[in-house]
Amino acid sequence: TQLLEQSPQFLSIQEGENLTVYCNSSSVFSSLQWYRQEPGEGPVLLVTVVTGGEVKKLKRLTFQFGDARKDSSLHITAAQPGDTGLYLCAGKQTGANNLFFGTGTRLTVIP
Amino acid sequence: DAGITQSPRHKVTETGTPVTLRCHQTENHRYMYWYRQDPGHGLRLIHYSYGVKDTDKGEVSDGYSVSRSKTEDFLLTLESATSSQTSVYFCAISAQRGLVRRTDTQYFGPGTRLTVL
Repeated sequence: TQLLEQSPQFLSIQEGENLTVYCNSSSVFSSLQWYRQEPGEGPVLLVTVVTGGEVKKLKRLTFQFGDARKDSSLHITAAQPGDTGLYLCAGKQTGANNLFFGTGTRLTVIP
Repeated sequence: DAGITQSPRHKVTETGTPVTLRCHQTENHRYMYWYRQDPGHGLRLIHYSYGVKDTDKGEVSDGYSVSRSKTEDFLLTLESATSSQTSVYFCAISAQRGLVRRTDTQYFGPGTRLTVL
């Protein structure tokens, strides 16, 4: 059983469209991160959110941490082919020495 | 670039053979991790280390062992490889240096693709 479930698992959209990816759990996290991974490479950190309700923007990407710190979303506005990749959420629980990673969302943006 | 290398990058082996994967870091980070990545599962933690000779199990540790005799090297060993261990293996380091870590930025190596026939 995965601690963090992401949806959708796969997403294929046209360039210019908007999309939202969800990361859900029944557990509380002290912080939550989003990583992006390109083929043949390791994941790279995009953002960290630590406060319930927090919203962070990174150019066309908007990240939100749920009020109860159990879930998060990633919204991409006007998707570009360069956004193509595997998006992973990862949560840290208080007192834990490791991150729990979500199941991943594979995004393809078609030119 | 967090100075993390993994070797080998690709390996094909047969069931029942031992396999050792190496992770090397150049920046003296205390925490190191081994993950496996499989479709539909994201990244799952195998083992991690919080110092030389200090290691602990992750959620999928069965069939794997680790060793850390030097700060810069973290080895993952499959004592007797099975087909279910075919996967992509990633090493990561944590950039956090404090004792209390509410957040944890991890930097990943390029991965090792292991195929067990």
